[in-house]
Amino acid sequence: NAGVTQTPKFQVLKTGQSMTLQCAQDMNHNSMYWYRQDPGMGLRLIYYSASEGTTDKGEVPNGYNVSRLNKREFSLRLESAAPSQTSVYFCASSELRGISYEQYFGPGTRLTVT
Amino acid sequence: GQQVMQIPQYQHVQEGEDFTTYCNSSTTLSNIQWYKQRPGGHPVFLIQLVKSGEVKKQKRLTFQFGEAKKNSSLHITATQTTDVGTYFCAGGGGKLIFGQGTELSVKP
Repeated sequence: NAGVTQTPKFQVLKTGQSMTLQCAQDMNHNSMYWYRQDPGMGLRLIYYSASEGTTDKGEVPNGYNVSRLNKREFSLRLESAAPSQTSVYFCASSELRGISYEQYFGPGTRLTVT
Repeated sequence: GQQVMQIPQYQHVQEGEDFTTYCNSSTTLSNIQWYKQRPGGHPVFLIQLVKSGEVKKQKRLTFQFGEAKKNSSLHITATQTTDVGTYFCAGGGGKLIFGQGTELSVKP
């Protein structure tokens, strides 16, 4: 089991460029999430998908779009990158087991926008 | 909206000293989770607390959930260099609200 995988690991973009961050999980989880992590800010939820075919906004969705391609894959798209989107992006997945919502995180994508 | 505040932001300790991080929510939480992130790594789940007043231990780590289910703490006894990292609390159900984290450094 690979768990949660993310590509790419690192990316540098110029302002205005677009890109898609890919995420896949092999744990058959229904729920998937995209977070961004900035120094001193903790993890902030961008978008989540409670199940295949559904997506919903989190705390900081502006400037981003998502696609839940199938149960395994959840992608995050930046249509026109801005320097304020320089961050580390984590994808996560979870499944309700009893009362536990433990989230499993991918290794992250370090994005710099110049 | 719901907020989860965590203090302190940084803690530097000598190896062998104890460490505590505190988490406070603006609203009652259905449960609280704790995660650890090593430098350069990704968050890894440590534990979930659900019941009012719950206390759980994992070796040198003790986790508490407040009686009102609005606060929580993580206490590490006799820190080791392997404890280095950032500890996050997170409240809620499937959609978690994370605290800002406490970065722990341990001087050998």
